[in-house]
Amino acid sequence: GQQLNQSPQSMFIQEGEDVSMNCTSSSIFNTWLWYKQDPGEGPVLLIALYKAGELTSNGRLTAQFGITRKDSFLNISASIPSDVGIYFCAGQLPMEKLTFGTGTRLTIIP
Amino acid sequence: NAGVTQTPKFRVLKTGQSMTLLCAQDMNHEYMYWYRQDPGMGLRLIHYSVGEGTTAKGEVPDGYNVSRLKKQNFLLGLESAAPSQTSVYFCASSYRGGVWNTEAFFGQGTRLTVV
Repeated sequence: GQQLNQSPQSMFIQEGEDVSMNCTSSSIFNTWLWYKQDPGEGPVLLIALYKAGELTSNGRLTAQFGITRKDSFLNISASIPSDVGIYFCAGQLPMEKLTFGTGTRLTIIP
Repeated sequence: NAGVTQTPKFRVLKTGQSMTLLCAQDMNHEYMYWYRQDPGMGLRLIHYSVGEGTTAKGEVPDGYNVSRLKKQNFLLGLESAAPSQTSVYFCASSYRGGVWNTEAFFGQGTRLTVV
């Protein structure tokens, strides 16, 4: 089946730093989604991307749908303590199920 | 608007016992999914459904069964629980996969321990 490789697997940063993570696929997707999971909670949607090349922001978060349709990037600017959690990418083709990445665990060092 | 509701939230089972996890969504979504998440790992798809009366296997279907008798409900059954099924289970739902409105919404999770 399709596989999404998400990197890095984990990040340790200081408050105020910018964060970048990405997701790559062996095949193309029509939709890319980015989710965040807080400890003990279910994943919550952050950003949805529907078009190759699309760049979308949600506050301090910015995500891009790669031109090749096989990758996507998420950037977080000026990180704050509540950014801690696991970030998942997900891809989907029309009429098919979602495929999730393995997650990036973000930790903020005091 | 409740969104996606999972019951129960916590459960402890003895090896060999059976149980059913219930997922209910009130958003009229066609697609519903069951995932498991083990410590430090991502989401692994167990089974999914693309509509009422249909189910399909995901990546890790063994030891689980599902049913989608009503559009709003997706049930996950463990026939004979094993310690390897100790995990956090998440249900999700989404509109039919198309260009628009494909976001999946997740429940709060069910933490299952098999002893």
